[in-house]
Amino acid sequence: NAGVTQTPKFQVLKTGQSMTLQCAQDMNHEYMSWYRQDPGMGLRLIHYSVGAGITDQGEVPNGYNVSRSTTEDFPLRLLSAAPSQTSVYFCASSYRAQRDPSYEQYFGPGTRLTVT
Amino acid sequence: AQSVTQPDIHITVSEGASLELRCNYSYGATPYLFWYVQSPGQGLQLLLKYFSGDTLVQGIKGFEAEFKRSQSSFNLRKPSVHWSDAAEYFCAVGVFNFGNEKLTFGTGTRLTIIP
Repeated sequence: NAGVTQTPKFQVLKTGQSMTLQCAQDMNHEYMSWYRQDPGMGLRLIHYSVGAGITDQGEVPNGYNVSRSTTEDFPLRLLSAAPSQTSVYFCASSYRAQRDPSYEQYFGPGTRLTVT
Repeated sequence: AQSVTQPDIHITVSEGASLELRCNYSYGATPYLFWYVQSPGQGLQLLLKYFSGDTLVQGIKGFEAEFKRSQSSFNLRKPSVHWSDAAEYFCAVGVFNFGNEKLTFGTGTRLTIIP
């Protein structure tokens, strides 16, 4: 299994540009999520999905869109990039075991995004 | 809403010394609690988790954590640190009601190991 993969690893955007961060997992996990990591602020949840066709907002959803058309993929779209979106973005997935509903999340390696 | 506080931004310990990283949480019901580790340039890896039962949980790499409901704490410990333990550590609290699955992270504690 490749686990959770993210592309690209690095990206530089100009203010106002749009782009999609890709996330894929091959573990048949139900739950997927996107976080951003900023210095001194830990990880903050942007959007999450509990299954194909179901998404919901996290703590900091403004400026981002998501969709979940398949179990495997959960892309994050930046509609009009702003310098405040400069961050490291992590995608995560988890499997809900019936006996243990405490989702253990598996993280991708991250995408470092700079908006100038 | 749940929240997590990690009061120590940066901790430095000598190799071979013991370690305790603090974590306090706020949540109205019994929480699901986690510790993750992030090595430089890497994603996060789960060290251990508390769901229910024994309040002292063992994790990977020789780490353990103790859940204390009366103190709303879930501190991470290791009896003897190794240079490879240098990393950033995140405590997290999870809410896992169907349709409301969220994991809230603390701001992290950076651990430096000196020879």
